[in-house]
Amino acid sequence: DAMVIQNPRYQVTQFGKPVTLSCSQTLNHNVMYWYQQKSSQAPKLLFHYYDKDFNNEADTPDNFQSRRPNTSFCFLDIRSPGLGDAAMYLCATSRAGTGEETQYFGPGTRLLVL
Amino acid sequence: GQQVMQIPQYQHVQEGEDFTTYCNSSTTLSNIQWYKQRPGGHPVFLIQLVKSGEVKKQKRLTFQFGEAKKNSSLHITATQTTDVGTYFCAVEGAQKLVFGQGTRLTINP
Repeated sequence: DAMVIQNPRYQVTQFGKPVTLSCSQTLNHNVMYWYQQKSSQAPKLLFHYYDKDFNNEADTPDNFQSRRPNTSFCFLDIRSPGLGDAAMYLCATSRAGTGEETQYFGPGTRLLVL
Repeated sequence: GQQVMQIPQYQHVQEGEDFTTYCNSSTTLSNIQWYKQRPGGHPVFLIQLVKSGEVKKQKRLTFQFGEAKKNSSLHITATQTTDVGTYFCAVEGAQKLVFGQGTRLTINP
C-alpha cells in the first residue's frame, strides 16, 4: 500500500551526538513536512518542503536541519540534540494544489536523548 | 498567523455517553480538517469540511462547519472504547496546516 514510512521507529542518542531521522513516501506527494510532538501537545511544524523549496518555521531552532534529495525521501538532522529535543518526530506528506490539502502522517520516530 | 482554539482540552466520559469537541477561529476559514490520534499513534485524517453550514457523518461521528465558517464541531454519539484518543482540528495556513490544541478523550468502560 502507498504510505509514509519513517525509520527508525525509536532512536536513542546521546546529548550532543548528531542524529538523522528519515522519511520516505510512495504517494508521490510534492509536499513533505516535519513535525515535533511532545507529550499531550499538538504537532509543532518544524519545516516543510514544497517540491524542492525549503520553508523553515520562524521558531525552529538552527539545531534542526532538513534535506530532501528527491521526491520520495526527506531527512531530519538534529546537529546537537539536547534533552529538550526528546519527542516524537512526525513526517507528513500532502499533494498541494488539489484543493484538498489532507496530510498523511508516518508512524513517527520517538527520540530519546540521554 | 492563522490560529484556531480548540476546547475542551480533556474530556472523560462513560462508555455510551456522547462527546463533543469544538474549534473556533477569529477569522473566516476556507476549510477545516479533523484528525484523530490514538495513544502512541500518529494523526490520521478523518474529514475535511469546506462549505458553510456543512454537516458530514461517519457512522457515530458528526462533523459540522458553522454558517460563518469560523467554527466547527465533532460530535461522537454513544462513545465506544475504540474512540479513545486525541482529536485535532486543523486549518490551512500558507502551504501548511495549523493544528488546534487537541481534545484528549478518555473513556470509562
